[in-house]
Amino acid sequence: NAGVIQTPRHKVTGKGQEATLWCEPISGHSAVFWYRQTIVQGLEFLTYFRNQAPIDDSGMPKERFSAQMPNQSHSTLKIQSTQPQDSAVYLCASSLDVGQGVNYAEQFFGPGTRLTVL
Amino acid sequence: GDSVTQTEGLVTLTEGLPVMLNCTYQTIYSNPFLFWYVQHLNESPRLLLKSFTDNKRTEHQGFHATLHKSSSSFHLQKSSAQLSDSALYYCALSDRGNQGKLIFGQGTKLSIKP
Repeated sequence: NAGVIQTPRHKVTGKGQEATLWCEPISGHSAVFWYRQTIVQGLEFLTYFRNQAPIDDSGMPKERFSAQMPNQSHSTLKIQSTQPQDSAVYLCASSLDVGQGVNYAEQFFGPGTRLTVL
Repeated sequence: GDSVTQTEGLVTLTEGLPVMLNCTYQTIYSNPFLFWYVQHLNESPRLLLKSFTDNKRTEHQGFHATLHKSSSSFHLQKSSAQLSDSALYYCALSDRGNQGKLIFGQGTKLSIKP
């Protein structure tokens, strides 16, 4: 079990450029979550999918952030026209689905992508 | 909306002393799931403790916590701090019981000195 895989581990963009972050959840996990971590704000929820369907995107900045999960093996977080305030570590987590003998689905975090916007 | 409050940003202790990190929460759900995550330097957060049972102590790796719904609290404790406990600790609440997104507190940095 390789755990949650995130690529790239580090990304540097210029202000106004686009950044795409990739996440491969643990095989068999049906839920994928995106969080953002900064020193000032701590860990903030962005969005999540269950069985590839978007469930809650209440944490996403509406204008420039978007997320997709085109298949069960990967999800992407895209940031258009990046700004310096987007600099953060973006963490992806995955979990099993509850039910079928599972009464709580622990979220397992990937190593994160450190995004730096110059 | 739901929220989690950790009052201490930094806790510095001498090795061997007891640890207590505070966590209180607000939620509309009558059956909240509460968690403590630990994040060591250059690592990702990992689950340390979880609870959804009122007044029942949960333990893992020497740490323990008890969910008290009457006071909306889930404080993290350890009887004797070790140098390896130095890390960032987050208290978190799940917004949909056992399968929702995690709402994190601001985090408490625990620094243990020899």
